[in-house]
Amino acid sequence: AQSVTQLDSHVSVSEGTPVLLRCNYSSSYSPSLFWYVQHPNKGLQLLLKYTSAATLVKGINGFEAEFKKSETSFHLTKPSAHMSDAAEYFCVVSDQGHGGATNKLIFGTGTLLAVQP
Amino acid sequence: GAVVSQHPSWVICKSGTSVKIECRSLDFQATTMFWYRQFPKQSLMLMATSNEGSKATYEQGVEKDKFLINHASLTLSTLTVTSAHPEDSSFYICSARSRRLAGLETQYFGPGTRLLVL
Repeated sequence: AQSVTQLDSHVSVSEGTPVLLRCNYSSSYSPSLFWYVQHPNKGLQLLLKYTSAATLVKGINGFEAEFKKSETSFHLTKPSAHMSDAAEYFCVVSDQGHGGATNKLIFGTGTLLAVQP
Repeated sequence: GAVVSQHPSWVICKSGTSVKIECRSLDFQATTMFWYRQFPKQSLMLMATSNEGSKATYEQGVEKDKFLINHASLTLSTLTVTSAHPEDSSFYICSARSRRLAGLETQYFGPGTRLLVL
């Protein structure tokens, strides 16, 4: 079965410094991996997704993530944090089930990112 | 594009009453919709998957008679919490998927509905 582990429940950075949100996955298949962001009182927004193409995936708002099969990791990074990046971030794996029929999303427990001025 | 709305955004009801939550895909046709619930400081847990015109598929441990799901059209799914109890208080989030938009894996999420049962 597929699963994701987000190693940090809270991360705090200063504005202008790099962001690293860690995620490790477990999958029996070649996984599809996603990062979603949830701002207060707003819907989850897709930041980026990996679906077995390029291992370095660029997303919106300057975020990117690198798929490392040897480390079973899919960490999210951003070179310089903005105040508007403060939100909760979810690492997600697609449960491909039998031949991709189900495509359910399995969420990590989330990482709350705080950005200090 | 790919906007999903939910109504209401929050609801307070008395124990024993039923509450209906609507999920709409505003600018695309959603062949599949999903319902999740999120408890405070916890992750999203999938409750059920619904395909337009067919019965919903519920996850293990989710009571289908308590959480009624109807997906009557390609743009609307409803979740009815029947005989609500305080332990049903949660944040309910829907998502929608379209075969035409970004592949089968990508889901577009609504803003959520916060339910408080007194």
